[in-house]
Amino acid sequence: QKEVEQDPGPLSVPEGAIVSLNCTYSNSAFQYFMWYRQYSRKGPELLMYTYSSGNKEDGRFTAQVDKSSKYISLFIRDSQPSDSATYLCAMTLGTGGSYIPTFGRGTSLIVHP
Amino acid sequence: DAGITQSPRHKVTETGTPVTLRCHQTENHRYMYWYRQDPGHGLRLIHYSYGVKDTDKGEVSDGYSVSRSKTEDFLLTLESATSSQTSVYFCAISGTGSPEAFFGQGTRLTVV
Repeated sequence: QKEVEQDPGPLSVPEGAIVSLNCTYSNSAFQYFMWYRQYSRKGPELLMYTYSSGNKEDGRFTAQVDKSSKYISLFIRDSQPSDSATYLCAMTLGTGGSYIPTFGRGTSLIVHP
Repeated sequence: DAGITQSPRHKVTETGTPVTLRCHQTENHRYMYWYRQDPGHGLRLIHYSYGVKDTDKGEVSDGYSVSRSKTEDFLLTLESATSSQTSVYFCAISGTGSPEAFFGQGTRLTVV
C-alpha cells in the first residue's frame, strides 16, 4: 500500500460545477500538504500548500486537511474547461529539514463545456 | 516559471546503453530531485541531493546513479538502460526549509 492514496479517475464534470479531489495517507508524521496541477506533457506546478490541519483558500481553490482522519481535499469552485488537468497531492514531513515530497498517483479531471 | 531546464527533452536509446539526463537550475536552491512518472504509479522518487556532492537514494533507485558537482547541475545516469526505464523523468528543486518544490518540463525517454 502506498503512503499516499489518490483515486486516478477520470473525474468528468460540467463547466461551473464544484469539484472535490481527495487523498488519504498513512503516515501521521506528515506536516505539509500540497496540491499540484499537471497539464498534459508538462511538469507539475504547485497550486497551494497547507501546514498541519485546517483550510486554505486561493481564489476558486480551497484546500482542506483533516489530520485526525488522514484525509485531504482540494475543492474547485466554478470549474472551467481550463481546469482540465491531472491534480496530484503531495506531502512532506517538514522536520529536520526533510521536505522531500511524497506524491499520490494523481486524479485526472475533465471539465466539459 | 522557476529556472529549471532539463535536457534532452526527448531521447530514444537502445537497451544496454548508458544514458545521462541533465537538470540545470538558476535558483540556487539547495535541494534537487529526480522523479519518474509512469501510468498507474504517479511520481516516484529516484534520487535526491541536499547539496554539492551530497546525494541519497529514493524509492526506485536501482539502475540509476546521480552526481552533483555544482549547485546548479544534477545529473541522472542510467548505467545500462532497460525497457522498464522507459518513462518521463522530472527534475525538481526546493529551497531550504520550504515544502514548495518546482518542476522542470520533463524528459521523455524511450528505451528500445
